[in-house]
Amino acid sequence: QVQLQESGPGLVKPSETLSLTCTVSGASMTNNYWSWIRKPPGKGLEWIGYIHSSGTTDYNPSLRGRVSTSLDSSRNQFSLTLISVTAADTAVYFCGKGSPRVEFWGQGALVTVSS
Amino acid sequence: DIVMTQSPATLSVSPGESATVSCRASRNIHIYLAWYQLKPGQAPRLLIHDASTRVTGIPPRFSGSGSGTEFTLTISSLQSEDFAVYCCQQYKEWPPTFGQGTKVDVK
Repeated sequence: QVQLQESGPGLVKPSETLSLTCTVSGASMTNNYWSWIRKPPGKGLEWIGYIHSSGTTDYNPSLRGRVSTSLDSSRNQFSLTLISVTAADTAVYFCGKGSPRVEFWGQGALVTVSS
Repeated sequence: DIVMTQSPATLSVSPGESATVSCRASRNIHIYLAWYQLKPGQAPRLLIHDASTRVTGIPPRFSGSGSGTEFTLTISSLQSEDFAVYCCQQYKEWPPTFGQGTKVDVK
């Protein structure tokens, strides 16, 4: 059974960096796409980007320049980094297996940007 | 970006009845459309991809149809566990985009 779990700080100050990790169980990191999606309060889901096990990445153009992802197969984890955050980055952040269709999702982690 | 518009925003349905959720794309996405089910505090679930292909393990009461710009998700004979938010996603063009979601609640 494939399971994903997001982890990281729930509160980030404006202008600082948001970092989240997704831990995967029940699936190999190899030959798979791993995605990040977020849902701001009161809004719809927004695609952030993906990383393939080969290292290939792509991001939503609206976030390019601020976002990066990395993958650690030895730990069965992949990570999201978003720099220079503002209140508009407050959202529930989901990690997922698959891109662009996400076959399996984590439960989500609320990240609030506030001083 | 392709804009996905769902209707209605909320659908009130009695258990055992059917529910139909619509999703419209701002331009032709052929059949590159998925439907997800979202419940608070739970992992979202992929129900349907390629507009009408049900994911393994999803009950047959969930069905999808459409192509081009107009799509529909139908849930026949709603069960208690089906009351949730349903969201469409296009993956014809980058970036993938989602509809705002339709909440199906108990009438």
